[in-house]
Formats: sequence, C-alpha cells, structure tokens
Amino acid sequence: AQKVTQAQTEISVVEKEDVTLDCVYETRDTTYYLFWYKQPPSGELVFLIRRNSFDEQNEISGRYSWNFQKSTSSFNFTITASQVVDSAVYFCALSELGPNTGNQFYFGTGTSLTVIP
Amino acid sequence: DVKVTQSSRYLVKRTGEKVFLECVQDMDHENMFWYRQDPGLGLRLIYFSYDVKMKEKGDIPEGYSVSREKKERFSLILESASTNQTSMYLCASSLLPSGGALDTQYFGPGTRLTVL
Repeated sequence: AQKVTQAQTEISVVEKEDVTLDCVYETRDTTYYLFWYKQPPSGELVFLIRRNSFDEQNEISGRYSWNFQKSTSSFNFTITASQVVDSAVYFCALSELGPNTGNQFYFGTGTSLTVIP
Repeated sequence: DVKVTQSSRYLVKRTGEKVFLECVQDMDHENMFWYRQDPGLGLRLIYFSYDVKMKEKGDIPEGYSVSREKKERFSLILESASTNQTSMYLCASSLLPSGGALDTQYFGPGTRLTVL
C-alpha cells in the first residue's frame, strides 16, 4: 500500500488562480514528519516545509500555505495567486520512526503543476 | 545553506559499462541517500548510508552498489549498466545520526543517465 498518495497527477491552472495540491498519508506511528518538495524543470528537489505530527497548526509562507489534518491523514498544499514560476512537480513525503533506522522516508508520486500565463 | 553536488548532470553510457555516479555534500551530514526517479513511480530509494563505510539497502538495490569511504562522498555504482537503468538519479543527505529518521533530506541537482 502507498504510504503517501498524491491522487492528482497533473494540474493546470491559469495564472493568478489559487490551486490546492492534495496529499494523503498512512502511518501507524504517533511521531512522524511530513514534507513538501518542489522540483522545477531544472531537476533539483527543493525543500519547502517540514511539519511534525504534534503540530496541526496551519502554516503560511507568502503565497504558500499548508493544511495539516490528522483526522483525515492529509497534508494539503495551497498556492495562492499562482505564478508561472510555480510550474513544477511537487512531492509530498512522510518520514516516520520505524523498527529500522534510516529507511523510513516515503515519497508520493508527485503532482505536476502547470501555470498558464 | 546545504550544498549537495553530483558529478554529472547528464551521462550517456553503453550497455555493460561500469558506471560511477558521485555525490558530495559539504555540510558534514551523517546520512546520504541515492534515489532513482521515473515517470509515474516517484522517487525510489536505492541505497543509503548512515556512516562512513556503512550502507543499507533501500527498496530497489538490485543492479547497484555503493561506496562511502569519506563522510562527504557517496558513490553509486552500476556494475554492468543495462537499458532499464536509464533514469534520473538523485542524491540526498540529512544531518541527524542513526539514519536520519524524521530529518529533512536535501537533494542534489540530479544526474540523468541514459544507457544505450
């Protein structure tokens, strides 16, 4: 079973529209972290945010905001007033403490966002 | 800022060749990781290392080996490259010891490998 599900494979929006990227995760741990990464066409994954499982406060950073809801196991990412530079593939990831150290970092399959000028 | 560099952005090799992909991080991170990224499959972990000379298999280690002789350098080796190893290879590092569970991973720019 997928630990991290990003159901939206591709999204296209017109510039200045708001867009929400969905992320649903699965874990039995009480301690875990959730991440979002951005991968622009250049290829490098850029770290955007990390949230721990004990902090359900929503976070806003400029045009970016994140909605963490443990009740629905979701960590959605909203871009307000999208811009062409937001065009990228966005990955959601889960990191958990498990029986084995290290190999507990799971990525979703990514959502490709295209912002049309 | 964390800096993770990879030796090549693009690489073309022939089937059967031995291929080395190099990754270097400059922030004294304990853990280093190799992933491959394929369309529709996201990122899949090949190997990771939580200390010098230590390595652990990830989800898809077959056909690959790794070497970590120095803390800052983690090499991915394709002993005999095959066409199904054509992919984007991403290196990452993280700070915390013991594998870095729960720690942020920082990525290099990637190497796009084509095996003909």
